[in-house]
Amino acid sequence: DAGVIQSPRHEVTEMGQEVTLRCKPISGHDYLFWYRQTMMRGLELLIYFNNNVPIDDSGMPEDRFSAKMPNASFSTLKIQPSEPRDSAVYFCASSGQGNTDTQYFGPGTRLTVL
Amino acid sequence: DQQVKQNSPSLSVQEGRISILNCDYTNSMFDYFLWYKKYPAEGPTFLISISSIKDKNEDGRFTVFLNKSAKHLSLHIVPSQPGDSAVYFCAASAKYSSASKIIFGSGTRLSIRP
Repeated sequence: DAGVIQSPRHEVTEMGQEVTLRCKPISGHDYLFWYRQTMMRGLELLIYFNNNVPIDDSGMPEDRFSAKMPNASFSTLKIQPSEPRDSAVYFCASSGQGNTDTQYFGPGTRLTVL
Repeated sequence: DQQVKQNSPSLSVQEGRISILNCDYTNSMFDYFLWYKKYPAEGPTFLISISSIKDKNEDGRFTVFLNKSAKHLSLHIVPSQPGDSAVYFCAASAKYSSASKIIFGSGTRLSIRP
């Protein structure tokens, strides 16, 4: 099992540019989560999907952030336009048994917005 | 408002001794608690969990204790080994609530010194 796959691993961009982060969950998992890790706030849940449908997006900080899950094996998190305060590590996780059960995390994407 | 708090951002313990990581929560609806471990440049990995019907759960060198009246849990690692050096996240959820989600603390960086 390849685990959760995220790309890119590192992204450096300039303020105002569009950024797209990608995630492939573990095959067969029905839940997909996007988190952001910062020094100040730790791990924050941004949004999660169940069977490709967004269930809770209350953690999405602003309208500049959007997430999609067009099929069971792919999700994107987009930031447009990006700002320096968006710099963080973004994790994708998946779970096969529920929104509060053990989640399996990808390696993360480290985003730097200059 | 942080519902899950890890008040110690870092902890240093000598190899072979006991490591105790603490976590406090504020939401009395939480009934399921987890610890995740994170190495640099990797995603968090599940370590151990405990349901609120228990006050202790043990898995090898790792034991989690839950004090519901104090809304406090702790992770004990005995004996501590160099490979235990990592960031540890405490997390909590109201497991049987369909609208619930896992809330993570900000993490404690554990360093095991020789």
